[in-house]
This record gives sequence, C-alpha cells and structure tokens, in this order.
Amino acid sequence: DAMVIQNPRYQVTQFGKPVTLSCSQTLNHNVMYWYQQKSSQAPKLLFHYYDKDFNNEADTPDNFQSRRPNTSFCFLDIRSPGLGDAAMYLCATSRDLRGGNEQFFGPGTRLTVL
Amino acid sequence: AQSVTQPDIHITVSEGASLELRCNYSYGATPYLFWYVQSPGQGLQLLLKYFSGDTLVQGIKGFEAEFKRSQSSFNLRKPSVHWSDAAEYFCAVGAWEGGGADGLTFGKGTHLIIQP
Repeated sequence: DAMVIQNPRYQVTQFGKPVTLSCSQTLNHNVMYWYQQKSSQAPKLLFHYYDKDFNNEADTPDNFQSRRPNTSFCFLDIRSPGLGDAAMYLCATSRDLRGGNEQFFGPGTRLTVL
Repeated sequence: AQSVTQPDIHITVSEGASLELRCNYSYGATPYLFWYVQSPGQGLQLLLKYFSGDTLVQGIKGFEAEFKRSQSSFNLRKPSVHWSDAAEYFCAVGAWEGGGADGLTFGKGTHLIIQP
C-alpha cells in the first residue's frame, strides 16, 4: 500500500544533542510537510518542500532544518533540541500545493528531550 | 490568514447516540475544509473533505459534515457512535493563495469520549 513512513516512531535525545527524524513516502507526491504537535495541541506547520523548493514558516525557529535529497525522502534536523521541542513530529505529503489537495499523514515520531 | 475554531475541547457521548462536533472557520475566500481523526499515538487520518458543490459531504466510518457558508461552519456528524470512535478530531482549513503555498491550519481539536 502507498503510504507515508516515519522513523523512528519514538526518539529520545539529550538536551542540545542534534537529532534527525526521517520521513519517506511511496505516493510519489510533490509536496512534503513537517508539522510539530505538542501535547493536547493542534499540529503546527514548520515547513514544506514542493519538489526541491523549500518553504519555511515565518515563526519556525532556526533550530529546525530540513532536507529533501529526493522525491521519496525528507528529513527534519533539530540542531540543538531544547526541552520545549519535545513533541510529536508529523510528516505529511500531498500531490500538489493547492489548498484542496488532501494531505496524507505518517504515524508520527514522538521526540523526548532529556 | 485563515483560522479554525473548535469550541468543544471535550465531548462525551454514549455509545449508540448521535454526535455533532462543531467547527467554525475564518477565511476570506471559499475554503477547503477537512476533518481528520487521530487515535492516541497515531498520525492523522482523513475522514472527509469539502471543496465545492454539494454542501453535505459523506466520509469514511459513517461520518458526514455540512458546509454552511452563512455560519462559516463545517460541523461533523455521525448518527450512531461506536466505542472505536473515541479519538481526537481535528477540523482544518486549507488555503490556496494564488500561487502561494500553504499547509493546513488546524483547530485545537475535540477529544471524543464514548461511554458505555
């Protein structure tokens, strides 16, 4: 089945230690998104890629970076995680950018910062 | 910029009873509206979506939603809930700013509790 896969499902890191979260998709979609979802809150868009074009949300901290080496994979890098970065990180894809395009979500990676 | 309000943080419904979850949006043009469901520790699954046309849309798992432009609402309904419907429900609006790129703007979610 075509899907969005996130690895690992659970990640524990230490305060200030860089961490990378992975997302892959078999849908061959042009757009890949990263959302941050803190406990009992709505998902919040961090950034997205349309093909190789990167679009950062204005309020996304510089501590968060992303890479998309090819259509299938997208990575979220947190350079120096703080305690406030503990959250569920959701990857999503859509065929196109238009607002009506359905976004398909992965199961998420839950990040714990010690 | 668009916004979504889900006024009910928690809702408790008896199994077999009907359900309505409220969603109000703010957006200058015709919105693209979605309802997603999230089970504990899981990602989001699309229940249904509205783009245009018939204002009553049918989704998966027996859910439906009605778009009411005059009320800026997109309420989710189900005639008879099952215990497996217990989850977090998110309403979202998608925008297309004529060449701009937007993700989804989510409401804060409604936590649905099903009691026996």
